[in-house]
This record gives sequence, C-alpha cells and structure tokens, in this order.
Amino acid sequence: NAGVTQTPKFQVLKTGQSMTLQCAQDMNHEYMSWYRQDPGMGLRLIHYSVGAGITDQGEVPNGYNVSRSTTEDFPLRLLSAAPSQTSVYFCASTMDYGTDTQYFGPGTRLTVL
Amino acid sequence: GDSVTQMEGPVTLSEEAFLTINCTYTATGYPSLFWYVQYPGEGLQLLLKATKADDKGSNKGFEATYRKETTSFHLEKGSVQVSDSAVYFCALSESSTGGFKTIFGAGTRLFVKA
Repeated sequence: NAGVTQTPKFQVLKTGQSMTLQCAQDMNHEYMSWYRQDPGMGLRLIHYSVGAGITDQGEVPNGYNVSRSTTEDFPLRLLSAAPSQTSVYFCASTMDYGTDTQYFGPGTRLTVL
Repeated sequence: GDSVTQMEGPVTLSEEAFLTINCTYTATGYPSLFWYVQYPGEGLQLLLKATKADDKGSNKGFEATYRKETTSFHLEKGSVQVSDSAVYFCALSESSTGGFKTIFGAGTRLFVKA
C-alpha cells in the first residue's frame, strides 16, 4: 500500500493564481480531510468528506473548494491564491473519525507571493 | 467550544531523561484522544490513542492515560533517545449528528541531546 499520497511536494504561486493540490489514498477509507499547518497553531481542518459525493466545511474553509468523485481521490482547489494561504497542507484519511487513526500524507508546502 | 491545550515548547532533554508533555482538553461529548508525532519533513503519524476514560495508550515506550476527571492525556516516556526528537501533537476526535470534530493542539517540539 502506498497509503496517502500528495502532489506536489512544493509549490510557489503568485497572488490571484489558481491551483489544485492532489490527494489520493489506497486504503479504501471513506473519510478524507484537508488540514493546513501554520506555526504555533497546530493543524486546522479546511474541508472533509465522509464518502464519494459528500463534502463539508471544516474550521477554515474560505478560499478553498473540494470535491470527491471517487473514494480514492480528494483534491483541494485554491481558486485565487492569497498570501494568507501560505502554509503546509496535509491530506488525511481514516475509517472512522470518531475513534480511528488518521493517516496523513507527506504534505505540500505552498508559498503565495 | 472544544479545544486542546498542550505545553509550549521547545522541550530540550538529554538522552535517557524522563519526558512529560502535558495535554488537557475541553469537549462537550466523549472524544477519543490521540498523540501524533511529526518528524522533520514528514506528515503526522499516530503514536498512541485511547478511546475511553481510564484507557492507557502505549507505543515505542511512550504512554498516556485518558483521565476524564482531570480532562488530561499527558504523554510520558521513561528514557528518551535522540531519535525521539520531533514535534508531538495532542488531538481529540469525536463524531456526532452534526458531523465530526477533530481538534489538534499547537504541537510541542522536543529536542533530545546526546
């Protein structure tokens, strides 16, 4: 199993540009989520999905869109990047958010100039 | 609202020293509690977990006990190694009719000196 994979590993954008961060998992997990990690703030939930076709907002959803057309993939879209979105982004998946382990990808380090 | 508070770092210890990283939480329901570890340049990985009061999670010499009466889940290790240098995150998760919650603490960086 590859687990949770993310691409790209690093990305630099200019303000106003758009891009998609890719996330895929091969563990057949129903639940997937996106977090951003900022210094001194831990991880904050952006969006999550409880299954194909179902997504919902987390703590900090503004400026981000998601979709879940398959169980395996959960891309995160930045429609118009802003410097405040400079962060490290992690995708995670789990069998059950309530009690089960979350498996994290290696992260994408995004810089918006 | 729900929250997780863990001790600020960095924590610097010598090899073979005793480690405690404090974690307290507030929650309206009955969450599961987790410790995750992040090594440089990597994503988070589960270190240990406990899903109900008085459960003890343990792994790789680390342990933590779910204390409902003090709303705490402190991480301990009897003898740290240089390879334990990393950032440690305390987290809670719970599912409810309104969705689910997963909340992370700010993280505590540990440096272990040889």
